[in-house]
Amino acid sequence: ELKVEQNPLFLSMQEEKNYTIYCNYSTTSDRLYWYRQDPGKSLESLFVLLSNGAVKQEGRLMASLDTKARLSTLHITAAVHDLSATYFCAVDPSYNNDMRFGAGTRLTVKP
Amino acid sequence: NAGVTQTPKFQVLKTGQSMTLQCAQDMNHEYMSWYRQDPGMGLRLIHYSVGAGITDQGEVPNGYNVSRSTTEDFPLRLLSAAPSQTSVYFCASRYDRSVTEAFFGQGTRLTVV
Repeated sequence: ELKVEQNPLFLSMQEEKNYTIYCNYSTTSDRLYWYRQDPGKSLESLFVLLSNGAVKQEGRLMASLDTKARLSTLHITAAVHDLSATYFCAVDPSYNNDMRFGAGTRLTVKP
Repeated sequence: NAGVTQTPKFQVLKTGQSMTLQCAQDMNHEYMSWYRQDPGMGLRLIHYSVGAGITDQGEVPNGYNVSRSTTEDFPLRLLSAAPSQTSVYFCASRYDRSVTEAFFGQGTRLTVV
């Protein structure tokens, strides 16, 4: 059974600090997605990682993928309040519309 | 460009009632899915479709039916609502199976009493 595990599930950060969210998955997949969800809102795509070693950056967020370790990370640099949201990773192992999500990491950035 | 549109946004049902959640997209996407979101469990795939006339089950299909008669629409039917189906439901679409991310609707918050 495919499992997608994120940790931590809850993360309270101070502004200007750095932190990393981890996403482990249990089956072979060379693509991984990161999404952001604000409270009461829908999901918004952040990154699409398509191969081993892929790294993408947008502002204070950087995502990477290690397909051999079945691990993706979402690194937050110098956090600011508007990064407060829930972040989900998802894998797509069978190349069909069968995207499976982790439980999400609820990030709160405090002044 | 409307993207993915879900209706209704909120719904309260009594146990045993049936209803249909509507999902429409105007991006000519082949792939559409329904997910439910429950606290602490992420999003779980209910059903998905890889094109008009083709549907398949996801992780949690019991109690739900789908059909895909057109590329644009992918309704989700609750046959006999149960309190365990209280959840937020999201419809998603994407262009193809290769490299594209999914676009999500705004969600339907369903309460079954």
